[in-house]
Amino acid sequence: GQQLNQSPQSMFIQEGEDVSMNCTSSSIFNTWLWYKQDPGEGPVLLIALYKAGELTSNGRLTAQFGITRKDSFLNISASIPSDVGIYFCAGYNNNDMRFGAGTRLTVKP
Amino acid sequence: EAQVTQNPRYLITVTGKKLTVTCSQNMNHEYMSWYRQDPGLGLRQIYYSMNVEVTDKGDVPEGYKVSRKEKRNFPLILESPSPNQTSLYFCASSPTVSGMNQYFGPGTRLTVT
Repeated sequence: GQQLNQSPQSMFIQEGEDVSMNCTSSSIFNTWLWYKQDPGEGPVLLIALYKAGELTSNGRLTAQFGITRKDSFLNISASIPSDVGIYFCAGYNNNDMRFGAGTRLTVKP
Repeated sequence: EAQVTQNPRYLITVTGKKLTVTCSQNMNHEYMSWYRQDPGLGLRQIYYSMNVEVTDKGDVPEGYKVSRKEKRNFPLILESPSPNQTSLYFCASSPTVSGMNQYFGPGTRLTVT
């Protein structure tokens, strides 16, 4: 099935730094979503994007739905230790949800 | 509290011994699904259900069965587990029948020896 390419696979950053990660696909998606998975927990929805070009914020998180509908970006500003976890992108079309492999974020105090 | 619960959270079993992982949601959601999470592969859908008595295969259904006899429960059944089914399993539910905006359970870590 269609796979999403998510990068980077992992990031090690200092507290206070900004973070960027992205997700690309060879196919178009009508909806892009970003999830965060804390250690030992299930993924939790952070942001959902429904329209090409849409830019949506949730606190220090900002995500964009790419104009081509084949990509999406997530930025985290002024990272804090509790931002640690795995971030997954997901593309959605017609009852079909595809996940990226995840970006593992480590924040050093 | 609105939630998706899974049991057990951890399970170690042997090849061929049938097992069931239960999933229950208390949000009256129509849509439920099962995923497995493996390193470097993200989440892959095993089965999903858009309503009671309606189930469909996801991307990796081989070796798994599901049932949806009532809205709140969606058990995952491994009739004859094999080592390649060692994985982290997540159940999810969604308030939309299309399956968008899914709420995930805490996960079940299964080891098959």
